[in-house]
Amino acid sequence: QVQLVQSGAEVKEPGASVKISCEASGYTLTTHYLNWVRQGPGQGLEWVGMIDPRGGSTSYAQQFQGRVALTSDTSTSTVFLDLRSLRSDDTAVYYCARDSTDGEYVFDTWGQGTLVTVSS
Amino acid sequence: DIQMTQSPPSLSAFVGDRVNLTCRASQNIRRYLNWYLQKQGKAPQVLISGASTLQNGVPERFSGSGSGTDFTLTISSLQPEDSATYYCQQSYSIPPITFGQGTRLEI
Repeated sequence: QVQLVQSGAEVKEPGASVKISCEASGYTLTTHYLNWVRQGPGQGLEWVGMIDPRGGSTSYAQQFQGRVALTSDTSTSTVFLDLRSLRSDDTAVYYCARDSTDGEYVFDTWGQGTLVTVSS
Repeated sequence: DIQMTQSPPSLSAFVGDRVNLTCRASQNIRRYLNWYLQKQGKAPQVLISGASTLQNGVPERFSGSGSGTDFTLTISSLQPEDSATYYCQQSYSIPPITFGQGTRLEI
C-alpha cells in the first residue's frame, strides 16, 4: 500500500540545521508532488513547502524562504527537508504529505511525523 | 494570503448527535476546500475534498457543503471514534496552502 515513512526524532541547538527524510513506497515517487506540513506543540497545521520530484521544482511558504530547502532522490524514493538557522519556535512535528493529484493539494497520504526539538 | 477561520474552536457532543463545523475563507475560494481529521498523536487524514467529495473509505455520516467563502462539515450521527480535531484547508491560491486553526470535537 502507499506509505510515507519518515526519519526519527531530532534534537538540535538554536542556530543549527536539521535534515529529515520521507521515504515513499507503494507508488512511484515522481508521480505525485510531495508537501511538508508542520505542527507546533498544541498548535494547528502550517504548510512549509512542496516539491515536484520529477524535476525538483519547489515552492515554499514565505516565512521559510531562505532557510528551507526541499530535495528529492528518485533512486531511493526519498524526499528531504533541510531547515537551517533553527529557532526555538521551529520546535514541531514535521509531516510529509502526498498530493493526491498534482496541483490539487489534497493530501491523501501522510508520513507518521518527525519531532524536531530546538533547545539549548 | 487567504485566511481560514473555523468555528467553534471546540465542541462537546453526544453519541448520535448531528454536528456542523464551519469554515470561512477570507476571500472567494470557489470549492477548493478540503477537510481533515486528526486524532491525538496521529497524522491528519483527509475526509473531504472539493468541498463535498467524500474520500474513499470515509463513513457516509460525514458530508461537506458550501462554496465561495462559507463551508460546513456535517457529521450526521456522532460515533465515539469521531473525537478528534478537524481542520479545513484551502487549495485555491497557492502558495501558501493555508489551514484553519481547527475545531476540537469531544464526544
